[in-house]
Parts: sequence; C-alpha cells; structure tokens
Amino acid sequence: GESVGLHLPTLSVQEGDNSIINCAYSNSASDYFIWYKQESGKGPQFIIDIRSNMDKRQGQRVTVLLNKTVKHLSLQIAATQPGDSAVYFCAENIGVGFGNEKLTFGTGTRLTIIP
Amino acid sequence: NAGVTQTPKFQVLKTGQSMTLQCAQDMNHEYMSWYRQDPGMGLRLIHYSVGAGITDQGEVPNGYNVSRSTTEDFPLRLLSAAPSQTSVYFCASSYLRWSTDSYTNYGYTFGSGTRLTVV
Repeated sequence: GESVGLHLPTLSVQEGDNSIINCAYSNSASDYFIWYKQESGKGPQFIIDIRSNMDKRQGQRVTVLLNKTVKHLSLQIAATQPGDSAVYFCAENIGVGFGNEKLTFGTGTRLTIIP
Repeated sequence: NAGVTQTPKFQVLKTGQSMTLQCAQDMNHEYMSWYRQDPGMGLRLIHYSVGAGITDQGEVPNGYNVSRSTTEDFPLRLLSAAPSQTSVYFCASSYLRWSTDSYTNYGYTFGSGTRLTVV
C-alpha cells in the first residue's frame, strides 16, 4: 500500500468491484488526513478527510478508515466506475500551532478500472 | 467563485531566466501554499503562507521566493531558472480552524497547475 514514504504504484480493479487503497503514515502527531484524486493533467481534487479523533468516515461511494494504533489509513471506493481511474494520494496534516500547519503527501497509487 | 487560479498553464524557460508563477484565490482563505510535483512522486511543499505578510519555507524552498501582500495572491518567483526546476507546480489554499489544541487546514483546494520546462 501507499505510505507517506513508501507506495504501491498501481492497482487494477474490475469495473463494479470495490477497491481499497492503503496508506501508512509515520508521524503519530498527525491529526488530520485527506485523500485526493488526481486525473491526468489536472490538480489534486479533494475526496474525503478524517480527523484523528475518528476511525471511520463515509462519503458518497467512498469510506476512509483510520487506524491510529498501526498508523494506517485506507480509502475504500465502492462499485468502481471508469471515472475512478486516477492517481490517489493520501496526505497528513500536523497542527502544532499557528503557522506550522503543513500537508505532507504520499507518492500516490494509480488506480485503473478495467471495463 | 473561481477557486484557485494559476497562470500560466505552460511555460518554457531558458536556464538563468527569471519568471513569476501567479496564484490567486477568491475564497478568502488564510492559508496558501506552493507545491511541485515530479514524475512518479507526490507533491512536495515549496513555500507556504498563513496570512498576508507571513511566509515560510517548506520542504524544497531553494531557488524559489514568495511574497504575500494580499490575502488573495501568492506569487512564486524563480530568480534564475535551472533544469532541476522543470516540474509541474500547484498552488493550493485552505482556511485554518482551531480545534482542540491546534490549528488545522480545511477546505484544501488546488489550482490546475503550471507545467514548467527549463532548457
């Protein structure tokens, strides 16, 4: 899986199946996490976020799970569609005081939906 | 509401030339930042700003300057372009909210990017 550090470069999923993209983060002080989708030639697009006081958050067809014990984040996409093909990044934010907020991105996972 | 607007979309520079990448947002976000994205890599933070008149360095600041004279604009300057600065540059903005014991960025929005080639 992807990590803010290591990454699984590609994932292929049959159209209609569910996909899971993983991310391991290293900083236990991170308090906010975001998943982004980036299509070719475009900027990253916000998908879903989660704060560290939660372990699960659901959106439309997407669910983010956070396991702080093992510092692991995952993005689940239900009933994948061809339009889900893109590179997915997780990002972590460390809010340590005003002026120090930064997002740190992983290297991304390329999701390909097979028709 | 245009969000985050970056100009130009494409640029070719010769080594040693200077230029400014423009970034503007109309969401009244306090926080703005510049990232670069290289092939097969994630986004790396160059510089950021938490408000007008305040800027700070990110992970890869060398060769870049920024200023924040207004809330809306956050230009990135390359004083003497080098081939190593060939990349895709993204500007982003967000608002800051205090929660529990720290500030967190919310509403992170990215521009569509500037593809820069230095020859």
